[in-house]
Amino acid sequence: EAGVTQFPSHSVIEKGQTVTLRCDPISGHDNLYWYRRVMGKEIKFLLHFVKESKQDESGMPNNRFLAERTGGTYSTLKVQPAELEDSGVYFCASSQDRPTYNEQFFGPGTRLTVL
Amino acid sequence: GEDVEQSLFLSVREGDSSVINCTYTDSSSTYLYWYKQEPGAGLQLLTYIFSNMDMKQDQRLTVLLNKKDKHLSLRIADTQTGDSAIYFCAEGVKWQAGTALIFGKGTTLSVSS
Repeated sequence: EAGVTQFPSHSVIEKGQTVTLRCDPISGHDNLYWYRRVMGKEIKFLLHFVKESKQDESGMPNNRFLAERTGGTYSTLKVQPAELEDSGVYFCASSQDRPTYNEQFFGPGTRLTVL
Repeated sequence: GEDVEQSLFLSVREGDSSVINCTYTDSSSTYLYWYKQEPGAGLQLLTYIFSNMDMKQDQRLTVLLNKKDKHLSLRIADTQTGDSAIYFCAEGVKWQAGTALIFGKGTTLSVSS
């Protein structure tokens, strides 16, 4: 079974440019999460999709970040325009829909560097 | 708000036991987790413990939970060089319609031979 995949693995852009990150969850997982780790800090929750619906986007830093999950399959996270403080590793995770314990499976992350 | 604290570095010799400690703040967390991140890889779930348990053992891993003090620890017996990685403590927090993970900053475990 394929795990969570993310593309690209690395992205280097200049301040003011736009970047789109992609996440493909494990097939059949309705829940999809985005997290971010800024250098030296904790991994922070950004948002949570159930199928194509945003359930919780309380962790999104500001309106320069836009996440979509059209059709309830893969998800994209767009940063426009990118700022220096957006640099970090963006992780995607997915999980099945269970009433109690549901393990979140993480992708390898996309390392974003904004110059 | 929610906050998870853990020490940043731990260095041990091969064959010794490693103990990584973590404190959390949300007493309503149902599950607490330990994730491992090897260089260039994503986060891998190592183990988890349900909040009504005190201890969980899984081969070389032992998780201890002190719910009163909100303290979680991970003990790795007979630590190997392959255990060198970043270990993240996380609590599962129910927000609105889902469960988000609140992570600590990660403990970098360095194992020398």
